[in-house]
This record gives sequence, structure tokens and C-alpha cells, in this order.
Amino acid sequence: AQSVTQLGSHVSVSEGALVLLRCNYSSSVPPYLFWYVQYPNQGLQLLLKYTTGATLVKGINGFEAEFKKSETSFHLTKPSAHMSDAAEYFCAVSSTGGGNKLTFGTGTQLKVEL
Amino acid sequence: DTGVSQDPRHKITKRGQNVTFRCDPISEHNRLYWYRQTLGQGPEFLTYFQNEAQLEKSRLLSDRFSAERPKGSFSTLEIQRTEQGDSAMYLCASSFIAGGSTDTQYFGPGTRLTVL
Repeated sequence: AQSVTQLGSHVSVSEGALVLLRCNYSSSVPPYLFWYVQYPNQGLQLLLKYTTGATLVKGINGFEAEFKKSETSFHLTKPSAHMSDAAEYFCAVSSTGGGNKLTFGTGTQLKVEL
Repeated sequence: DTGVSQDPRHKITKRGQNVTFRCDPISEHNRLYWYRQTLGQGPEFLTYFQNEAQLEKSRLLSDRFSAERPKGSFSTLEIQRTEQGDSAMYLCASSFIAGGSTDTQYFGPGTRLTVL
């Protein structure tokens, strides 16, 4: 079975500050890891994904994440927050053995303040 | 490429009524997934299709729920005898997969169901 834990259901940062959203996963097989963003009343948009290869993954809108197998983590970062980053962020895990269905965390609501 | 579309975007119904949602995937995507998202939670997997075959159903998909994907194109999700606990956002995603690789799922805007 796979699972995802996102620490911090709400994170608040100042505009221009570092964004760090935490994600830890559990998987009995090599995982595929994803970060999605969801704006109010909309579907999910893929930010970035890790499948194999380079453990530092760059995504859209200046976000990146690093896969750390030893820590079972896939934290999302952005050097400088922008007001438009305010949204809910979901970390998800899948594997080919599980039909590639995604198992999501409970989400982190990011608030960006002036 | 017009993206994944879902219809309707919002549905309000009374308890006990049947509802049907439609999902149109990205053209040529062979996989189609349904998820349910309740307030304050992440999406939860319901079922998925590869082409027209339904390959897996979650335990969340009770016998009141049925999904189809005729001809491997659009999909419908029907809920019979709706209950207030069915109120949620129903998300559809599609992807293209070849061989044993992983896929990237692209989500539609969702259908928000409210059961009164």
C-alpha cells in the first residue's frame, strides 16, 4: 500500500520569501512522485514529477522538488513566493504495480502575504 | 489539444435521485481515471479504464456507482439513489501510457455534486 503525508495543512509566507511544502511518502516499490496545484473550484494542474533519474526535479512557475529516498521525502520549494502562488498543493505517489493510480496527501493551503 | 472536459460543472440533486456525469479525455489518451474529492481532503481514486476496459475499482465505488467508457473515448459516471454523503467534487483525468512506463495524468475541472 502507498500513502502520502503532507506536514502542515496551512502554510503562510511573505511575498518574496522561500516556499517549502513538505511531503513524505510510503511505498513498498520504487515510487513515482508528483506535485499538483489546485486553484479554487478548479481541477488539478501538474507542477512537476519524479519518475527515475535526476533526483532534483524542476517544474513550472519556478517550483522544484528533490527526491530523497533515504528520507522518503519529496519536498516542494520555490525561492521567492509570488501572490499568484496562493493555492492548495497536493503531493501524490503512484507506481506501475498499482495501475498508476495516484494516492494523494491531504493537501497544503499556501497563503502569500504582502 | 483542448484538455480534459467534464460536464456538468455543477449538479444539485435531491437525495434518492440518480445523476450522471460525463468526462471527455484528451484526444488519443488511452487511460481515463475517476477520483472523488471531499472538502479539505485530497482526491481519492475511484476507478480507471484502459481504452474501454475497466481495470480497477476502488472499495469506495459502492454498487450504487457505475462507470463506463464505451468505445474507449468519453466516460460516464452514474450514481444511483444519491445520498448526502455523495456530495463531493468528482474529478476525471486522462493519460497516455505505453508498455510498463508511468503516465502523467491531466485533470479536468471537475463536477461538483451537492445532494440535498
